[in-house]
Amino acid sequence: HVQLLESGPGLVKPSETLSLTCTVSGDSIESLYWNWLRQPPGKGLEWIGHKFNGRSPSYNPSLRSRVTISIDTSKNQISLKLTSVTAADTAVYYCAREDIITGGALDYWGQGALVTVSS
Amino acid sequence: DIQMTQSPSSVSASIGDRVTITCRASQGLGTWVAWYQQKPREAPKLLISTVSTLQTGVPSRFSGSGSGTDFTLTIDNLQPEDSAVYYCQQANGFPYTFGQGTYLEIK
Repeated sequence: HVQLLESGPGLVKPSETLSLTCTVSGDSIESLYWNWLRQPPGKGLEWIGHKFNGRSPSYNPSLRSRVTISIDTSKNQISLKLTSVTAADTAVYYCAREDIITGGALDYWGQGALVTVSS
Repeated sequence: DIQMTQSPSSVSASIGDRVTITCRASQGLGTWVAWYQQKPREAPKLLISTVSTLQTGVPSRFSGSGSGTDFTLTIDNLQPEDSAVYYCQQANGFPYTFGQGTYLEIK
């Protein structure tokens, strides 16, 4: 049974770096794509980017200059770093698995982590 | 970016009704289209991948269809637990993008 769990600070100050970790159980992160997405309160879904172990990540151009997604296979974790945050980055952040079989669809999601950007 | 225009933005229907939600893409998508259901305070749940492939455990009253730029999610025999927001998603090109969402209310 695949499970994803996001963790990290729930409050980040403006101009600082948002850092989140997604711990995966029930599956190896050495295969498949692992995604980060976000959803501002009351709004729709935005794809941040994804990474396949050993390959270059793909990022949303709207965030590319500020985002880094990395994989730690020893811990079965995927991390997200978003620099120079503003209030506009306040959102629930999700990690999600992308199976090749599902053709880019995201079949397993974490519960989400609310991150508020505020001083 | 590929734009996904989803309609309607909200719909109200009764138990047993059929509901259709559409997504129009700004360019052709092949089979790289998925549909999700999101209930309040929950993560989205994948219902359908590759246009029409129903995920394991999803009731057969959900179905997907379409081709080119026009795609549809149909819910037959509407049930109370179907009240949610529904999103389409394209994975034909980067960045992956979603429709704006359709709020389905059960009367």
